[in-house]
Amino acid sequence: QQQVRQSPQSLTVWEGETAILNCSYEDSTFNYFPWYQQFPGEGPALLISIRSVSDKKEDGRFTIFFNKREKKLSLHITDSQPGDSATYFCAAERYAQGLTFGLGTRVSVFP
Amino acid sequence: GPKVLQIPSHQIIDMGQMVTLNCDPVSNHLYFYWYKQILGQQMEFLVNFYNGKVMEKSKLFKDQFSVERPDGSYFTLKIQPTALEDSAVYFCASSLAGGLGEQYFGPGTRLTVL
Repeated sequence: QQQVRQSPQSLTVWEGETAILNCSYEDSTFNYFPWYQQFPGEGPALLISIRSVSDKKEDGRFTIFFNKREKKLSLHITDSQPGDSATYFCAAERYAQGLTFGLGTRVSVFP
Repeated sequence: GPKVLQIPSHQIIDMGQMVTLNCDPVSNHLYFYWYKQILGQQMEFLVNFYNGKVMEKSKLFKDQFSVERPDGSYFTLKIQPTALEDSAVYFCASSLAGGLGEQYFGPGTRLTVL
């Protein structure tokens, strides 16, 4: 049983468009949600994160929207660039425990 | 950003042998983690470690697994003996804080058990 689900599995956008990645979770005790970006052959790199007390977090072209009631969140990548082509993982954590990861969304940005 | 290093990048061993995976965490970080990712599946938490002790472990952290960080050197994951199902990519991570702290990951060690 997957505790963190991501959709879509893969996503293709053109340069300059907004990519929207979705994530949902089962356990309401999760209270921290980081998103990681991973390029082939590398480890996941922390991109942006949000705590459950907030409903939005913005960092440059990356924005997390969080809906605690529905246990859903999304990552928006505005003005997508070819260098954003990577796999993006949504993760969830409850205090002082390990991260629970989703399966990831593979994003391809074409020029 | 902060870098976590892992040695080796690849390891091939025969079933039943012992293997040690090494992690060089971010220098001032205090919390250390191991995750396991089988091809095509999500990354799964194995264990976290702080102040010389295992703080939490998942059901994937079998009795054959052990972790240590002797004298502030590498943070290691030892598997003894190895089994075929241990084949996976193992990621090390470290964080400065333990509660909801930002975890920084290494590039992973691909372990193949024959």
